[in-house]
Amino acid sequence: GAGVSQSPSNKVTEKGKDVELRCDPISGHTALYWYRQSLGQGLEFLIYFQGNSAPDKSGLPSDRFSAERTGGSVSTLTIQRTQQEDSAVYLCASSPRSIGTGNTIYFGEGSWLTVV
Amino acid sequence: SQQGEEDPQALSIQEGENATMNCSYKTSINNLQWYRQNSGRGLVHLILIRSNEREKHSGRLRVTLDTSKKSSSLLITASRAADTASYFCATDREAQKLVFGQGTRLTINP
Repeated sequence: GAGVSQSPSNKVTEKGKDVELRCDPISGHTALYWYRQSLGQGLEFLIYFQGNSAPDKSGLPSDRFSAERTGGSVSTLTIQRTQQEDSAVYLCASSPRSIGTGNTIYFGEGSWLTVV
Repeated sequence: SQQGEEDPQALSIQEGENATMNCSYKTSINNLQWYRQNSGRGLVHLILIRSNEREKHSGRLRVTLDTSKKSSSLLITASRAADTASYFCATDREAQKLVFGQGTRLTINP
């Protein structure tokens, strides 16, 4: 596709429910990132996928958060038993190769999650 | 802790004036990038400066990097109302992921 696509754009869920957020990266991009941004704050790194390598999960805030990337393309971020503090924008990004080679990353428009 | 810290947190200027935003970081880097974000949605890449570069230009943007002080600045010249946005610096401290600062909220008053 032309850009990184995320769905849903907005999600309101009840506390305790599970949610799934989807990211479709730019075709051919091997690296995929998930970030979280609370209102008025900076971006918090969550997880990074690069090709077939084991993902870097060092940013996941708790074991309620998990992510997978199937077939090296689409990724799903799952939040189980959502809490109000999970309310944020979840941003997905992709890049052609790893950042260390000087690549920029391309962001989707994000998924606004509100836990009530 | 945040690798990149921008200051000021918020900046409000008149259209036509220049806007300067600063970013400091703590550890050595390969590259530093600046991104722009409108209304809390996706970020858009503005400019990348490598650790062996001191200054870079792109249109009305000028970025400097001082690795001895571990700081960078973003200058927007002849600001326009459309420049109103949040601006973030990001560093590749850990090579495989970008670490973002808290951002500077820039408001250009017509």
